[in-house]
Amino acid sequence: AQTVTQSQPEMSVQEAETVTLSCTYDTSESDYYLFWYKQPPSRQMILVIRQEAYKQQNATENRFSVNFQKAAKSFSLKISDSQLGDAAMYFCAYRSAGGGGADGLTFGKGTHLIIQP
Amino acid sequence: DGGITQSPKYLFRKEGQNVTLSCEQNLNHDAMYWYRQDPGQGLRLIYYSQIVNDFQKGDIAEGYSVSREKKESFPLTVTSAQKNPTAFYLCASSIAVGEAFFGQGTRLTVV
Repeated sequence: AQTVTQSQPEMSVQEAETVTLSCTYDTSESDYYLFWYKQPPSRQMILVIRQEAYKQQNATENRFSVNFQKAAKSFSLKISDSQLGDAAMYFCAYRSAGGGGADGLTFGKGTHLIIQP
Repeated sequence: DGGITQSPKYLFRKEGQNVTLSCEQNLNHDAMYWYRQDPGQGLRLIYYSQIVNDFQKGDIAEGYSVSREKKESFPLTVTSAQKNPTAFYLCASSIAVGEAFFGQGTRLTVV
C-alpha cells in the first residue's frame, strides 16, 4: 500500500515571503498522480496543483509550484509571495494511474500553514 | 453549476441511533468516495464506488454502510456499531484517474 508523509505539522511564514511544504511518498509503481489540496477554515477541499509522474517538468499554477523528485519520492509545494488567504491546511495526496487508483487518493496528515501579517 | 452537494452541513446523533449523510453529484463522474477526517489524521477512506450497484470497503469501513443505486448519489449511513462517529465527513467524486472533487462536508457529533 502507498503511504504519504508530511513531516511538518505546522509552518509559519511572513506575508509576501516564500514557503515550501514537504511531502514524501512510498510506492512501487512507476505511473501515478500527485496532488496538493488546500483546506481553508471553511473546510472545503480545494485542488491547488497536480503532477503526473511521467512528466519530468514540474507543475506550476500562478504562485504555486512543485519540486517533483521521482527518484527520491519527494513532492514539495512552494508558495511564492504568500498572502493572508493562503492560510489553511495543506494536504499532499497520491493516486495510482493504474487499476490501483480505483480506490481513490491516499492523503498525508497535513501541514497547517500560518501567514504572519 | 456542476459540483458535489453534501447534506446536512451539521448532524447530531444520539447514542445507538443510525444516521444517513447525503452526497449528490452532477459531474457525471463514475467514481464516488467517502472520507473521514479527524484532527491530525488527514483523510481516511471509508467506502468507494466505481460504478452503480457496486461499492468496496476502504480502510475504516467498520460501523458504516453505503449504497449506490444511482450514478449521482452515494449516501453514507453511520450505524450504531460505529463507536466513535464524531468526525468531519467528506464525499468526493472523480473520473477513473486524476484528481477528486469534494463536497463541503458534514460535521457529525454524538450527543
